[in-house]
Amino acid sequence: EVQLVESGGGLVQSGGSLRLSCAASGFTFSDYWMHWVRQAPGKGLLWVARIYSDGTNTIYADSVKGRFTISRDNAKNTLYLQMNTLRSEDTAVYYCARDSRYTLGDHWGQGTLVSVSS
Amino acid sequence: QSALTQPASMSGSPGQSITISCTGASSDVGNLVSWYQQYPGKAPKLMIYEVTKRPSGVSNRFSGSKSGNTASLTISGLQPEDEADYYCCSYASTWVFGGGTKLTVL
Repeated sequence: EVQLVESGGGLVQSGGSLRLSCAASGFTFSDYWMHWVRQAPGKGLLWVARIYSDGTNTIYADSVKGRFTISRDNAKNTLYLQMNTLRSEDTAVYYCARDSRYTLGDHWGQGTLVSVSS
Repeated sequence: QSALTQPASMSGSPGQSITISCTGASSDVGNLVSWYQQYPGKAPKLMIYEVTKRPSGVSNRFSGSKSGNTASLTISGLQPEDEADYYCCSYASTWVFGGGTKLTVL
């Protein structure tokens, strides 16, 4: 069974940093692109970033470019999102999701809440 | 990447069919359109991918289609458990979600 489990969320002050993790199991992690998607309270879904299966290519939404870094450790079956210079508008539930041939999210984690206080 | 527009809310009665639209701002939405169902406080679930394909385990009451710059999700034989938020998503160099449609089953 495919499982994605996020961790690392919490309360942080504006301008601070946080690193999210997503532990993957039940599939060959190193074969798949992975994404981060976020959802602000009461709002819709917003794609954040994508990383190739081997980690050699990344792409970001304009709203996080230069502040967030997606990475992965295939030996540990873990996806990461390093978030720097956090703003109040980054407050959201952050989901990791598996990609399947450009379809975002054939499987999703349960999400982890990041709250940025101003 | 252009925005995707969905109706904010829709409603239907049990047994009815309903179609949720997803319109690209300026161009064909492409062939990599997917649809997700989300219950409050839960993670999204993939319901349709590549415009018309249904993942294993998803009810055949859910179907997808596309015409020009508008993709659509049709739910036939509405059931109370279909009450949820629905999002479309399209890929064209990056991924863009529609604003979501809150479906109420009356």
